[in-house]
Amino acid sequence: AQTVTQSQPEMSVQEAETVTLSCTYDTSESDYYLFWYKQPPSRQMILVIRQEAYKQQNATENRFSVNFQKAAKSFSLKISDSQLGDAAMYFCAYRSEGWSNYQLIWGAGTKLIIKP
Amino acid sequence: KAGVTQTPRYLIKTRGQQVTLSCSPISGHRSVSWYQQTPGQGLQFLFEYFSETQRNKGNFPGRFSGRQFSNSRSEMNVSTLELGDSALYLCASSSGLAGGSDTQYFGPGTRLTVL
Repeated sequence: AQTVTQSQPEMSVQEAETVTLSCTYDTSESDYYLFWYKQPPSRQMILVIRQEAYKQQNATENRFSVNFQKAAKSFSLKISDSQLGDAAMYFCAYRSEGWSNYQLIWGAGTKLIIKP
Repeated sequence: KAGVTQTPRYLIKTRGQQVTLSCSPISGHRSVSWYQQTPGQGLQFLFEYFSETQRNKGNFPGRFSGRQFSNSRSEMNVSTLELGDSALYLCASSSGLAGGSDTQYFGPGTRLTVL
């Protein structure tokens, strides 16, 4: 069975600085997808970024980028120029390829605090 | 496009009762997934429906059930409520056609409290 681990329950960063959130996963599959979701106090889960395992290039979305290390099974999220609106819970999630195991498997989350 | 909507947003029930939660996906999406979020267990997958059929199921007891209608709206039912069923229930909508790469868009959730 696949598992996702986020070892940092809480992180804090000064506004405008850069922070990296860690995520590791365990799988025996070769094709899969990795996601970072953000859940602000409103509780609405919002997709931040997605990475396909078959792509070597790291995904980037504006101030958000990932460091995907497939051999190490590591998938960290870097947030540059942190803003107050980035404060939220961040969840790393895994999904297999295909339809037989369609569910997202989630990490425990990291609470990100932005200091003004 | 309108986002995923869930009703009601908040619900208070007592042990032993049953409850029905509703989810309306994004227009054109045919897949609806349900997740339970609790402080102790985190986010756990309940089930996924596609074109009115349950396509995937998580490890929850039979008290948790769901269905999907021809317009893709989905309902989730929990019978004989227990205190441990108190949670945020999240619904996610996707096209249902892209396999593992299918992006899921989440609703605001229904907060269920069981007294």
